Amino acid sequence: ETGVTQSPTHLIKTRGQQVTLRCSSQSGHNTVSWYQQALGQGPQFIFQYYREEENGRGNFPPRFSGLQFPNYSSELNVNALELDDSALYLCASSRTDSETAYEQYFGPGTRLTVT
Amino acid sequence: SQELEQSPQSLIVQEGKNLTINCTSSKTLYGLYWYKQKYGEGLIFLMMLQKGGEEKSHEKITAKLDEKKQQSSLHITASQPSHAGIYLCGADISAPKSTFGDGTTLTVKP
Repeated sequence: ETGVTQSPTHLIKTRGQQVTLRCSSQSGHNTVSWYQQALGQGPQFIFQYYREEENGRGNFPPRFSGLQFPNYSSELNVNALELDDSALYLCASSRTDSETAYEQYFGPGTRLTVT
Repeated sequence: SQELEQSPQSLIVQEGKNLTINCTSSKTLYGLYWYKQKYGEGLIFLMMLQKGGEEKSHEKITAKLDEKKQQSSLHITASQPSHAGIYLCGADISAPKSTFGDGTTLTVKP
């Protein structure tokens, strides 16, 4: 069983640039959620994708957007980067429509630094 | 204000000692999760509690959800250096959005 993977591991960008982060969900999982975790805080929900459609969104501006592909992998895109976007970005996969739908498996994260 | 409040923020214990971490919600909980995170890494699912009064154990870690379902505690017995990390509680207060506390950083001194 393949776990959740994320790429890249680390990334340094300049304010105003755009970034794409990638996530491969665990085998058999059809739902991906993205979180932003600032230093010393808990993860903040960005959005969730299920069957290639956005299935819920947290309090993040439209410059945070995403995609889910037919193989259930996902991308998080952030436009017009701001210094406050510096954080650990986590994706989590789960299997909606199952008894264990609540169980999220997290990837190792992508550390984004905006300078 | 924070929907899930964890206490304490950090904890330093001597190896072998017991400890408790608390998670309090401002709303009724219909599912409360505990995760462990090593600094800068992903979260590892520990356990989920759904019913008031429910108690679950995983190795030397026990978690309870109180009867009124607004507070959970995580108890570690005979702590070991391998228990060190950040413990986070999470809940589906507004599904599908998962809400997390800010975590409790545990240091275990050998």
